[in-house]
Amino acid sequence: GIQVEQSPPDLILQEGANSTLRCNFSDSVNNLQWFHQNPWGQLINLFYIPSGTKQNGRLSATTVATERYSLLYISSSQTTDSGVYFCAVAAGGTASKLTFGTGTRLQVTL
Amino acid sequence: DGGITQSPKYLFRKEGQNVTLSCEQNLNHDAMYWYRQDPGQGLRLIYYSQIVNDFQKGDIAEGYSVSREKKESFPLTVTSAQKNPTAFYLCASRRPGGGTEAFFGQGTRLTVV
Repeated sequence: GIQVEQSPPDLILQEGANSTLRCNFSDSVNNLQWFHQNPWGQLINLFYIPSGTKQNGRLSATTVATERYSLLYISSSQTTDSGVYFCAVAAGGTASKLTFGTGTRLQVTL
Repeated sequence: DGGITQSPKYLFRKEGQNVTLSCEQNLNHDAMYWYRQDPGQGLRLIYYSQIVNDFQKGDIAEGYSVSREKKESFPLTVTSAQKNPTAFYLCASRRPGGGTEAFFGQGTRLTVV
């Protein structure tokens, strides 16, 4: 099956700093999503981005499907950005199963 | 409001007992999924269903069972055959096909006591 790798596994930032999270995947995909898991475990949808670039406030994402990677940018980080960020992909022909990476754990400090 | 509702939020089970986790959605989505998350880990697929009365095993289906009698509902039973059931369980739904966005419920935290 498709493999998803996220980096870095852990990241500590001071409030106000910027960061880039990376997601590499092993095969062509027609679905890529970024999620933020909050301290209560809920998965919050950030971006649905199988290709191209999107922005939502301080967050933006870019997926380069031909090179099999996606990047999530967080600018001017805040303590509420802390949590785990997951990338998940689905490839056509695999019955629409979403496969998750192991996540990037982000801690934003004052 | 449209969304996915999982219940209960916390569940305690004695060893040897079966327990059923509820997942209901009113998004009119055909496809539904169950994932398991262990502490510090990513999500692993247990079962999924693309239409009513049909479901397929995911990567870690042993010790679990599901049913899909209604489009809105996809309950997961954790059986006594599941050797290590303590985990966080998340349900998701989406329109069928690979290129559609998935949405998740708030999860059920199951603890074996």
